[in-house]
Amino acid sequence: AQSVTQPDIHITVSEGASLELRCNYSYGATPYLFWYVQSPGQGLQLLLKYFSGDTLVQGIKGFEAEFKRSQSSFNLRKPSVHWSDAAEYFCAVAPEGFQKLVFGTGTRLLVSP
Amino acid sequence: EADIYQTPRYLVIGTGKKITLECSQTMGHDKMYWYQQDPGMELHLIHYSYGVNSTEKGDLSSESTVSRIRTEHFPLTLESARPSHTSQYLCASSDGGLNQPQHFGDGTRLSIL
Repeated sequence: AQSVTQPDIHITVSEGASLELRCNYSYGATPYLFWYVQSPGQGLQLLLKYFSGDTLVQGIKGFEAEFKRSQSSFNLRKPSVHWSDAAEYFCAVAPEGFQKLVFGTGTRLLVSP
Repeated sequence: EADIYQTPRYLVIGTGKKITLECSQTMGHDKMYWYQQDPGMELHLIHYSYGVNSTEKGDLSSESTVSRIRTEHFPLTLESARPSHTSQYLCASSDGGLNQPQHFGDGTRLSIL
């Protein structure tokens, strides 16, 4: 079955430490890939997207993500986390030919002082 | 950046009432979407529209209905609310081709007593 997996429900990192959030997908072809962030009580904000080309994509707020076709992964990274990064992060895919998004279950990031 | 507005932000109402959740966007986007999100869970697509007079059901079955009479407006209606409808409802819009990201509103948190 086609799916998006975010294996980490919660992650806690210290402020200033590096961050990696994992995302795996299972689709036949390479879908369009997205990372969104949701702060409490808010909607979703797009961090970055990947469609083709360079497998390392840069986003807003200092985030980047790397697409690895061999691993069907699209992991989100940030070299130095700030307390304001504490939020819920969702990986999403748009299967080729469709614009309906399929979301992962999300990873809640907690930032400790 | 797209401007997309949802009202009300919060609604607490009794069982059996008719409810309409409003969603408007000011960017002229053709495509609009409704997602349902339970606390700590992923988003599920319940309705989408690719243009005026076009509405389709999403991946998650919902008792709600939608209409798209104007490009900018995509309201969602529950004819008779039940406690099982308690959830957060997020509206989104996008334009252009398949690689255009969806822009989200801040959501409506609905509680049915």
